[in-house]
Amino acid sequence: DAKTTQPPSMDCAEGRAANLPCNHSTISGNEYVYWYRQIHSQGPQYIIHGLKNNETNEMASLIITEDRKSSTLILPHATLRDTAVYYCIVRAQGGSEKLVFGKGTKLTVNP
Amino acid sequence: GAVVSQHPSRVICKSGTSVKIECRSLDFQATTMFWYRQFPKKSLMLMATSNEGSKATYEQGVEKDKFLINHASLTLSTLTVTSAHPEDSSFYICSASQGGRLISPLHFGNGTRLTVT
Repeated sequence: DAKTTQPPSMDCAEGRAANLPCNHSTISGNEYVYWYRQIHSQGPQYIIHGLKNNETNEMASLIITEDRKSSTLILPHATLRDTAVYYCIVRAQGGSEKLVFGKGTKLTVNP
Repeated sequence: GAVVSQHPSRVICKSGTSVKIECRSLDFQATTMFWYRQFPKKSLMLMATSNEGSKATYEQGVEKDKFLINHASLTLSTLTVTSAHPEDSSFYICSASQGGRLISPLHFGNGTRLTVT
């Protein structure tokens, strides 16, 4: 079963920041937080992952709370092409490599 | 970055026939590959884990005799849907792990849309 909880849907205006929350209150010390997104009829695309420090790459920023029980994915300047389902997944280092997907958040970027 | 290629992207077959789907890691060796299926407006459901040179591990409720998985090399895994029926119509997606780097992200293929008539 997925170990994360996300809102089913969110809307964002084009050009604005999109902040997608994720709760993972049962996360273990060796589990990383991964974010993927899936654009309609395509395979999931890796976005970013982190353990406890905030992370940033060319696609997004990941903010993890100090207690690691929740995180936020930030798309700084959302575009129409960012409309997708965003999945927050916890995955252990040293354990099974498989990713268990929850229901994700359907982000709609509006013009 | 790492690329996973899946073929075919779409396939239509008649009920009772078998369909083979290929998943290739193009620029890395994948010791482990994963197969998922996804129904419309649903999330991805893991079907099985495929390890090179050994038998696949199936998730609970997935029929191993119906969904045959072969991982004969470090760059290729195949999923064969045997005696397909309309209820097997779905979106099948593979992912691959570079192995040995357990915090590295998994890379996904672009999926195969199977329609059984």
